[in-house]
Amino acid sequence: GAGVSQSPRYKVAKRGQDVALRCDPISGHVSLFWYQQALGQGPEFLTYFQNEAQLDKSGLPSDRFFAERPEGSVSTLKIQRTQQEDSAVYLCASSWDRGVYGYTFGSGTRLTVV
Amino acid sequence: RKEVEQDPGPFNVPEGATVAFNCTYSNSASQSFFWYRQDCRKEPKLLMSVYSSGNEDGRFTAQLNRASQYISLLIRDSKLSDSATYLCVVIQTGANNLFFGTGTRLTVIP
Repeated sequence: GAGVSQSPRYKVAKRGQDVALRCDPISGHVSLFWYQQALGQGPEFLTYFQNEAQLDKSGLPSDRFFAERPEGSVSTLKIQRTQQEDSAVYLCASSWDRGVYGYTFGSGTRLTVV
Repeated sequence: RKEVEQDPGPFNVPEGATVAFNCTYSNSASQSFFWYRQDCRKEPKLLMSVYSSGNEDGRFTAQLNRASQYISLLIRDSKLSDSATYLCVVIQTGANNLFFGTGTRLTVIP
C-alpha cells in the first residue's frame, strides 16, 4: 500500500487480557519501528526491526511486551496480561534505511485497558 | 533527564504572527535532527529535517546550534492550519531510533 497501515485502529481490552497489534509497513521498507505514545507525551521507542531481525528491543517496558516480524514485512506487537498503564497509542513506522532521514508513521492503534 | 527537552506550551498566537519554538538535546553525539508535526489524534508527520547550515521551507525555518545543543523552528505568517503539536526529534550516532520531545502545542487564533 501507499502508507503504513495499522490495525485495529482502536482496541479496548479488559485488564489481564492479551492483545495483538498489527503493522503493515510500506512495501520495500526494511526498517520497522514500534513506538508508544501516552497522552500529552511524545512517542517513546519500543523496538526496531531490520527485515526480520529484531535488532533493538531496549524500549520494551516489560517482558509482557513482545514483537515479531517473521517474514520481514508485517509486524505484530503483542501485549500479554494488559494493565491500565499500557493504555496508550501504539505507533508503527517504517523506513527504507535505518531511519536517519526520518520515517513514515502509521495512524496508530489506540489501546484502552479497562 | 530526558534526551530531548521542549517547552510544551501552549502557544496561542494570532493569524499572521511569527512564532518560534526551541528544543535542547542532551547527547552531543546526536547526528540527525528533525521537526515533526502532529495533529490531534493523528500520527506524527515529518515537517522538515534540520541541517547545520540552517534550512528554510516556505514559511518555516529550522536552525541547529551544535555547540549549544539547541534546535529551533520559526514559523512566519502563521495560518490557522498551522495549529498542531510540533515535535523536536533527534537521532543519536549509532542509535536505531528517534528520540522525541514532548511536543509544543501551537494554536493559531483568527
